[in-house]
Amino acid sequence: GENVGLHLPTLSVQEGDNSIINCAYSNSASDYFIWYKQESGKGPQFIIDIRSNMDKRQGQRVTVLLNKTVKHLSLQIAATQPGDSAVYFCAENYGGSQGNLIFGKGTKLSVKP
Amino acid sequence: DAGVTQSPTHLIKTRGQHVTLRCSPISGHKSVSWYQQVLGQGPQFIFQYYEKEERGRGNFPDRFSARQFPNYSSELNVNALLLGDSALYLCASSSGGGQPQHFGDGTRLSIL
Repeated sequence: GENVGLHLPTLSVQEGDNSIINCAYSNSASDYFIWYKQESGKGPQFIIDIRSNMDKRQGQRVTVLLNKTVKHLSLQIAATQPGDSAVYFCAENYGGSQGNLIFGKGTKLSVKP
Repeated sequence: DAGVTQSPTHLIKTRGQHVTLRCSPISGHKSVSWYQQVLGQGPQFIFQYYEKEERGRGNFPDRFSARQFPNYSSELNVNALLLGDSALYLCASSSGGGQPQHFGDGTRLSIL
């Protein structure tokens, strides 16, 4: 499949460790943020989202933190597994429809067994 | 339940030709968005349709057009293809009301 991870920042972690992927977003008016995971040859897969009236949201093994003061978003993955290896994108939206997402550059997560 | 389905999965065209890409949203989803993803970059927004009306348009030339049908499926059309149009074209659907978008696996378009 295609290599979606070409020339992207890479984070390499050991299996079982926690991973933190960071993202700086561009628009202070953005009110909705979302993380996607993309494996080679596939489309982005929804992980977790958060609205601007929250600063933290937890899912299964994942936590998203939002710092509006510095326009920063992070995705924490607990007990990282080899199946978590992929490219991770953050995206932002403003305007309310959530249908027009602005994606960041992406981070390639590599999990060593 | 079926996810977002796109066809074809791969397509090869030559410069100047026209292409039509198709998308079927998740059942019950009325919003469809199209994105272009160039290798090594994040997806870039092209269009959003909701209830058959255009709700948003990204910074793409008029050679790009789209429409949504009564069954909420959608087509993306690109005329006068250029080498730079080579990319993965992604379709995403949502139920609206602030719900997240879910993506298909895309159509890989190669222009020779």
